[in-house]
Amino acid sequence: GAGVSQSPRYKVAKRGQDVALRCDPISGHVSLFWYQQALGQGPEFLTYFQNEAQLDKSGLPSDRFFAERPEGSVSTLKIQRTQQEDSAVYLCASSLANRDNEQFFGPGTRLTVL
Amino acid sequence: GQNIDQPTEMTATEGAIVQINCTYQTSGFNGLFWYQQHAGEAPTFLSYNVLDGLEEKGRFSSFLSRSKGYSYLLLKELQMKDSASYLCAVRRGSTLGRLYFGRGTQLTVWP
Repeated sequence: GAGVSQSPRYKVAKRGQDVALRCDPISGHVSLFWYQQALGQGPEFLTYFQNEAQLDKSGLPSDRFFAERPEGSVSTLKIQRTQQEDSAVYLCASSLANRDNEQFFGPGTRLTVL
Repeated sequence: GQNIDQPTEMTATEGAIVQINCTYQTSGFNGLFWYQQHAGEAPTFLSYNVLDGLEEKGRFSSFLSRSKGYSYLLLKELQMKDSASYLCAVRRGSTLGRLYFGRGTQLTVWP
C-alpha cells in the first residue's frame, strides 16, 4: 500500500491477556518507530528498528513489552499480561532512514484493557 | 523528558491567522518538527526546521530560534478543516531519529 498500515485498528483485551499489534511500514523504509499515545497527550517513543536490528528499546515501559521486526519489514509489538495502564493508541512510523526529516505514521491501534 | 511546552487549547475563527507556540529544552538539538493530527487519525508531517528562521509552505509557516529554544507554527486563512491537534516535536542528534513530542495544542476553528 501507499502508506503505513496497522492492524488491528481497535483491540479490547481483558487484564492479563497478551496482545500483538502489527505494523506494515512503507515498502523500502529502513527505519521503523513505535510510539504510545495516551489520551490528550503527544506520542511517547517506545522503540526503534533499523532494518531488522532493534537499535533503541529504551522507551519500552516494562519487560512485558516486546517488539520484533525479523525480516526488516513488518513489525509486531507484543504486550504480555496487559494492564489497564497499557490502554492507549499505539502508533507505528517509518522513514527511509533515521535522519529523514519526515516520519510517516500509521493510523494506530487503539488498545483498551478492561 | 525534553521539556517541550505548548498551549493545550486554542480557538480561532475561519479566515483568521493563528500562531501556536512551542518552547523546548534539549541537548544535542537536531531539528524541530510540527505534525497535524485529526481526532482518531495518524499524525501527518507539516514542517521541519533545523536552522533559525522562517519556513513557509502554503498557508502554513514555521519559525525557529535555537538560542531561545522557541518555535511557532503560523496558520493563515484558517479553514474549518484545520481544527486538529498540532504536535511540536524535537529530534536530538544522539538518539537515532526518535522524536520527542509535546502534548499537542488542540485548535478549534469556528465559522
